[in-house]
Amino acid sequence: AQKITQTQPGMFVQEKEAVTLDCTYDTSDPSYGLFWYKQPSSGEMIFLIYQGSYDQQNATEGRYSLNFQKARKSANLVISASQLGDSAMYFCAMREGDNQGGKLIFGQGTELSVKP
Amino acid sequence: KAGVTQTPRYLIKTRGQQVTLSCSPISGHRSVSWYQQTPGQGLQFLFEYFSETQRNKGNFPGRFSGRQFSNSRSEMNVSTLELGDSALYLCASSLWGDRGRVDTQYFGPGTRLTVL
Repeated sequence: AQKITQTQPGMFVQEKEAVTLDCTYDTSDPSYGLFWYKQPSSGEMIFLIYQGSYDQQNATEGRYSLNFQKARKSANLVISASQLGDSAMYFCAMREGDNQGGKLIFGQGTELSVKP
Repeated sequence: KAGVTQTPRYLIKTRGQQVTLSCSPISGHRSVSWYQQTPGQGLQFLFEYFSETQRNKGNFPGRFSGRQFSNSRSEMNVSTLELGDSALYLCASSLWGDRGRVDTQYFGPGTRLTVL
């Protein structure tokens, strides 16, 4: 079974509008962390935002916020006021439990295109 | 502070050869993880090193190996290359990669390996 599911292979958004990228996860471990990364065409993975399973509030980092719904096991990324430079692949990732060290499990990604 | 560096950035090899990729983590980071990214399989965890010890291993054949040096720099080696090994190999470092504590992994620009 997929541990991380990103159901939107590609999305378009108009510049300056907000966009939500979906991510659902599957784990039975009560302790886990959820991450979003951006990968431009250059290939480098850029860390955007992190949400811990015990965090009471949704994470925010500048124009990025994470809509964390624990009961539904979803961790959607919201990008406000999209910019042309936001065009990239976006990956949701999870680190499970306390015994997985640095192992991240990634979703298949969503390709975001921002239109001028 | 300098980010994660990977060398070389691009590499072309032929089937049957072996290759060594290098990763220098962010200064002070002790955990280094390696990932393989292909269009078909997406991002997959290879292994993680912490304090010169392999702490975690993904589901890859024994042709894939790695090591970490006392300065936290890491290398991964692929022996007897196959066409399917063509991929972007990403290295990520984190401060502790500590059990019981989720810290962020920061990625390097990757090494793009092409096997002919």
